[in-house]
Amino acid sequence: AQSVTQLDSHVSVSEGTPVLLRCNYSSSYSPSLFWYVQHPNKGLQLLLKYTSAATLVKGINGFEAEFKKSETSFHLTKPSAHMSDAAEYFCALFTGGGNKLTFGTGTQLKVEL
Amino acid sequence: NAGVTQTPKFRVLKTGQSMTLLCAQDMNHEYMYWYRQDPGMGLRLIHYSVGEGTTAKGEVPDGYNVSRLKKQNFLLGLESAAPSQTSVYFCASSFGLSGNTIYFGEGSWLTVV
Repeated sequence: AQSVTQLDSHVSVSEGTPVLLRCNYSSSYSPSLFWYVQHPNKGLQLLLKYTSAATLVKGINGFEAEFKKSETSFHLTKPSAHMSDAAEYFCALFTGGGNKLTFGTGTQLKVEL
Repeated sequence: NAGVTQTPKFRVLKTGQSMTLLCAQDMNHEYMYWYRQDPGMGLRLIHYSVGEGTTAKGEVPDGYNVSRLKKQNFLLGLESAAPSQTSVYFCASSFGLSGNTIYFGEGSWLTVV
């Protein structure tokens, strides 16, 4: 069975400081991994995805994530948070063994002045 | 470029009433999905379709039916609404599986009283 665990339901950072949102996965197959962002009352927007190419993936708005197979992790980072980054972030997993995208429960990012 | 469009955006239903949510995509995608989003539970797949005329059950299909009569449309029906179906519903579409990006609509807020 495949699963995604987002280790923090809420993360709070100060503007200008680094962001780290943690995601671990479990999969019997080679995974494709995604990070989506959801702003209030909006749909989900793709930030970045890993599909077995480079393990360090760069996305939009300065976000990046590193795929670590040995740690079964795909953590999302950004060097310097901006107020506009405040949103909910979802890690998602697709594997060939299933036929769908499995989502984590989300991490709410708060950015303070 | 509309992408994925959901109607209606908001609806209040009485217990036992029926309704249909409409999803339309203009990207010529083969795959379409219906998810529900509930606090602390992430997104859960209700039903999906891998092409015109096909449908399949996801994680939480009970109480819902779907139809994909045209490639660009994917309808989600509630035959007899229950308060447990109060949720935000997201439609999504993609070219295929694996590393293909899934594009989301902006959501439909449904309250069952």
